[in-house]
Amino acid sequence: SAVISQKPSRDICQRGTSLTIQCQVDSQVTMMFWYRQQPGQSLTLIATANQGSEATYESGFVIDKFPISRPNLTFSTLTVSNMSPEDSSIYLCSVELSSRQGENEQFFGPGTRLTVL
Amino acid sequence: SQKIEQNSEALNIQEGKTATLTCNYTNYSPAYLQWYRQDPGRGPVFLLLIRENEKEKRKERLKVTFDTTLKQSLFHITASQPADSATYLCALYSSASKIIFGSGTRLSIRP
Repeated sequence: SAVISQKPSRDICQRGTSLTIQCQVDSQVTMMFWYRQQPGQSLTLIATANQGSEATYESGFVIDKFPISRPNLTFSTLTVSNMSPEDSSIYLCSVELSSRQGENEQFFGPGTRLTVL
Repeated sequence: SQKIEQNSEALNIQEGKTATLTCNYTNYSPAYLQWYRQDPGRGPVFLLLIRENEKEKRKERLKVTFDTTLKQSLFHITASQPADSATYLCALYSSASKIIFGSGTRLSIRP
């Protein structure tokens, strides 16, 4: 299993500013994932972060808006840039570990609740 | 288009009864399907995984079925307790090696 922590747990920000969310894992992992979960909605994958290479973004998400860093195998950051109220959401990081049977299980951090005024 | 639907946004049942949650999907060929529990203010927590060649899997009071013909999974909690109240998410792991989540069903167990 994996234990994941995120900072901050919540924040209230002004429109036009940026917020960087940190994610720390207790073990080394190849891929880390960043999700967004809007109220009452499903989790939407923003991007996949590999150590030593640029993040891979899903359709509808771009690097200029959500720059990601992955400096080592246990840490990643997601920045929400030039925020607007539409960015108000819970942001979650996760890692994927494989079982002996080769099945993938996702472990999630507690999330960062962002409110943009 | 590809879609995952969970039967209802909210489900309220009496303590002791069996809760049954439904997950339907279209235009996927999932290698396996997972169920997660999410409590308010927390990230999802993995509960059970069922493969495409498995019909049923059990873990304590939890039971999951997977019907690839109907493109449906059922998630059962027997002898439900108020502590089972949470949002339950189904997730498909597709052949494209991506995990796709449903929007979840909020389950409330009343004493």
